[in-house]
Parts: sequence; structure tokens; C-alpha cells
Amino acid sequence: AQSVTQLGSHVSVSEGALVLLRCNYSSSVPPYLFWYVQYPNQGLQLLLKYTTGATLVKGINGFEAEFKKSETSFHLTKPSAHMSDAAEYFCAVSRGGSNYKLTFGKGTLLTVNP
Amino acid sequence: DTAVSQTPKYLVTQMGNDKSIKCEQNLGHDTMYWYKQDSKKFLKIMFSYNNKELIINETVPNRFSPKSPDKAHLNLHINSLELGDSAVYFCASSQDVGVDNEQFFGPGTRLTVL
Repeated sequence: AQSVTQLGSHVSVSEGALVLLRCNYSSSVPPYLFWYVQYPNQGLQLLLKYTTGATLVKGINGFEAEFKKSETSFHLTKPSAHMSDAAEYFCAVSRGGSNYKLTFGKGTLLTVNP
Repeated sequence: DTAVSQTPKYLVTQMGNDKSIKCEQNLGHDTMYWYKQDSKKFLKIMFSYNNKELIINETVPNRFSPKSPDKAHLNLHINSLELGDSAVYFCASSQDVGVDNEQFFGPGTRLTVL
């Protein structure tokens, strides 16, 4: 079975500071990894995904994540936080192949202080 | 144009009632999903349909019955509502069942059972 652990249910940063949201996964086979963002009272939106190939993945809104197999991690970063980045962020994993089911982490709420 | 729409947005009802939530996508996708997000923001898949056929059926009480009249619609009917059914229900769709297909989420339906 696959699982996702997001370290820190709440991360607070100042505007302009580095954003780092942590995600560790457990999977018995090479995983497919995703980051989704949920703005208040909205559905989820895909930020970026890792399937195969380059381990550093760039997404929308200046976010990127790096797949590190040795650390079973897929942390999300952004060099400079903006007020509009305040949202809930979800890491998700899938096993790939015919198993297309996404397993989500419990989410990390990002607040950005002026 | 809204890609994935759900109705109603809010639903308040009494225990024991039967209610339905409707979902429509205008993206031409083959695969649709229902997710439940609990009060702690934990998101879990309930059902998935591909070309109107049920392909994922997680451990969900049989009081929940999805119905897909066509590829663009996936409705969720809930019988004998219980307090624990209170949650936000999200519909999503993707091009097909492949894991690297982005899932597009609707805005959610907040169900409150009194």
C-alpha cells in the first residue's frame, strides 16, 4: 500500500521568504507524485507532478519540487512567498500503471504574513 | 465556462433523509471521481467511473450510490444520512484512467447533516 506523510499541518512564512512544504511517501513500487493546492472554498488544482524523467519538477506559480528516491521525499519549494500563495497544499502519490488511484496526505496550511 | 461543476454548493439536511449531489464536466473526459474531505481536510477517494463503468469503489457504506448516466455526469445519491456524512464532497474528472492524467476538481459540495 502507498501512503503520504506531510510534515507540519501548518507552515507560516513572511512575504518574500522561502516556502518549504515537506512530503514523504511510502510505496513498494516507483511512485507517481503530485502536489495540489486548494484555495479557500475552492476545489483542488494541480501544481506539479513527477512521473518519470527529470527529478526536479517545475510547476505553476513559481513552485517546484524535487523527487529524491533515497530520501523518499518530494518537498515543495518556492523561493519567494507571495500573499496569494496562502492556501492548503496536498501531496499525493499513486503507484502508476493500472493503479491510478491517488492517495493524499493530510495537507499543509500555508499562511503568508505581510 | 466552468470545467467541473457541482450542485448544490451547500446542502443542509436532517439525519435519515436521502439526498443527491450532481456533477457535470464539460472537458470531454472519460473518467470521473467522487472524493470526501472531512473536517480535518483529509481527502479520500470514494468512487471512480470510466466511460460510465465503475472502476474504483472504496470501502464506502452502501448508503452511498454513484450513478453515471453518461460520460459527462456522475451523481452521488446518499440514503439515510448520518451525522458522520457531514463533509465536503468533491467531484473530479480526468482525460482517462492513466495515473499521469491531471484530475480537475469541482468547487465542492458542503454537506451538513443535523
